[in-house]
Amino acid sequence: DGGITQSPKYLFRKEGQNVTLSCEQNLNHDAMYWYRQDPGQGLRLIYYSQIVNDFQKGDIAEGYSVSREKKESFPLTVTSAQKNPTAFYLCASRPGQGHQPNYGYTFGSGTRLTVV
Amino acid sequence: GQQLNQSPQSMFIQEGEDVSMNCTSSSIFNTWLWYKQDPGEGPVLLIALYKAGELTSNGRLTAQFGITRKDSFLNISASIPSDVGIYFCAGQLVAGGTSYGKLTFGQGTILTVHP
Repeated sequence: DGGITQSPKYLFRKEGQNVTLSCEQNLNHDAMYWYRQDPGQGLRLIYYSQIVNDFQKGDIAEGYSVSREKKESFPLTVTSAQKNPTAFYLCASRPGQGHQPNYGYTFGSGTRLTVV
Repeated sequence: GQQLNQSPQSMFIQEGEDVSMNCTSSSIFNTWLWYKQDPGEGPVLLIALYKAGELTSNGRLTAQFGITRKDSFLNISASIPSDVGIYFCAGQLVAGGTSYGKLTFGQGTILTVHP
């Protein structure tokens, strides 16, 4: 079955370390997104990519980096510059522009990152 | 970045009661979506709305796309314990180009159902 896989489910990081969260999809979707979720604040967009080898900053990109070398993969690196990285991270994907109807995003099951 | 105004923030209801939540925005959207998130999981799409005034049902769930294209509501009838979770509204902007497909999310409504 097609879907989005995020790994690991739980991740612990020491302060000052970089850490990479994995997101893989086999839905043949063009666009992929990374969101951060904190209690009471909903979903905030970190980065998104409409096509391979291209990505744009979202609303809270500082301290994060991404790459999109393959259509199926959109890893997120949380760098030491991110001052408060403890959060629940969600990856999502959707078909590209021109694909109708638009059923919105398909989400992964998330990665909970904790800084220790 | 912009977020939708979703209310209420939380609800505590008895099993069997009906539930209503809504979202408003200062921007016009061409698509409204409603998601449900179970604890520790990603959101799952419940209902998608594509036209102003559209009323769509999915089992006990009913959602409407506001006439002004700046609001939407979700109703759940005869709630059951498995309805517990966080409900998010999301709007998709009209603009194309790099903004195409970008969703803006509400802050979520936390629903608790007492048996």
